Amino acid sequence: AQKITQTQPGMFVQEKEAVTLDCTYDTSDQSYGLFWYKQPSSGEMIFLIYQGSYDEQNATEGRYSLNFQKARKSANLVISASQLGDSAMYFCAMREHPPGGNNRLAFGKGNQVVVIP
Amino acid sequence: NAGVMQNPRHLVRRRGQEARLRCSPMKGHSHVYWYRQLPEEGLKFMVYLQKENIIDESGMPKERFSAEFPKEGPSILRIQQVVRGDSAAYFCASSPPGQIGDSPLHFGNGTRLTVT
Repeated sequence: AQKITQTQPGMFVQEKEAVTLDCTYDTSDQSYGLFWYKQPSSGEMIFLIYQGSYDEQNATEGRYSLNFQKARKSANLVISASQLGDSAMYFCAMREHPPGGNNRLAFGKGNQVVVIP
Repeated sequence: NAGVMQNPRHLVRRRGQEARLRCSPMKGHSHVYWYRQLPEEGLKFMVYLQKENIIDESGMPKERFSAEFPKEGPSILRIQQVVRGDSAAYFCASSPPGQIGDSPLHFGNGTRLTVT
């Protein structure tokens, strides 16, 4: 069963504008973590931001912030003041807590963002 | 402190050949995770290994794929008798022992496998 859903089509955003990337998730765990990664065209996976299920505050990291709505099971990424270097695929991921120290992540299919000057 | 190192960066194999992908975890990390990314898709979990043990192989195809993480040396993902559908990017990540809570998995740069 799909645990992470990212369904937006590719997005074009004007430089210096903000963009919101949607992510919904499915879990029966009470304790879990949500992560966003960026994958530029060069292919590496770059960690951006983390939100814990028990965190009361929305996570922020520089120009990145997370709009976490636990009851709706959504963890949308907001990128403010977009830059050309933000053009990339963005992946939402979730860590549940299976026993035995398994820290694996489940990823969504990604959101494509293209920043235009 | 070097990150997760994967090699080769690109690998081309003909159908029927074997592919061996290597992953050296970050210093101090003894747990390794392999993921596969098909074109236009997200990363799919394949296998989680600790030194000399496969802990979770729930994402591994039943045939032709195997993984190991020996006491010495890198982790190896091995694909026998490759087919065109194996063409993908294969990523490795590592973590220290135990639950790492809010720490992310740090990934290597991946190996791009192309089967001709």
